Amino acid sequence: EPEVTQTPSHQVTQMGQEVILRCVPISNHLYFYWYRQILGQKVEFLVSFYNNEISEKSEIFDDQFSVERPDGSNFTLKIRSTKLEDSAMYFCASSRDIEETQYFGPGTRLLVL
Amino acid sequence: GIQVEQSPPDLILQEGANSTLRCNFSDSVNNLQWFHQNPWGQLINLFYIPSGTKQNGRLSATTVATERYSLLYISSSQTTDSGVYFCAVCAPGADGLTFGKGTHLIIQP
Repeated sequence: EPEVTQTPSHQVTQMGQEVILRCVPISNHLYFYWYRQILGQKVEFLVSFYNNEISEKSEIFDDQFSVERPDGSNFTLKIRSTKLEDSAMYFCASSRDIEETQYFGPGTRLLVL
Repeated sequence: GIQVEQSPPDLILQEGANSTLRCNFSDSVNNLQWFHQNPWGQLINLFYIPSGTKQNGRLSATTVATERYSLLYISSSQTTDSGVYFCAVCAPGADGLTFGKGTHLIIQP
């Protein structure tokens, strides 16, 4: 069964550094998403992406965040200048259509020191 | 935005027991999903159920959209059912899922 994959599984970075989190969505899916979960808290929506542009973004998704689909398979989340409070699990998800199941990847655990 | 409340927040049961988890939401939805977050942090899809009833083995779910709630039933619990169960919804016109705070389920042997 096709799965969403994410790399790396863990990343440790210094405050102020840029990080890029990578995702490979399910191949026939058209909608892509990023979510985050701060330790012990609920999962929060960051951004959705469709037809090579941002479809919706939350208040969390400020100017330090950006998303890109650099080729036909990868979907990336860039954090330009990481802060301590960016430490979280970041999940990528994809869906075939907007009103269909969103399938989540295994997550990237980001620790900012 | 849409609000999602899950109850109970914590539930401790003996192996073999049945359980019902509830999800209330504040507005109409076009997507409702139940997830199980395992000890490694992975979000496992259980059901896509914006309305109606579905069953998958020992798990079943019912969403009554007109009354804005969904129920997840777990029968004959096993220790591997332990973890956090999340309900997440999406309002019409929105893309992103809004998650509840989850129900932390512990199944004791």
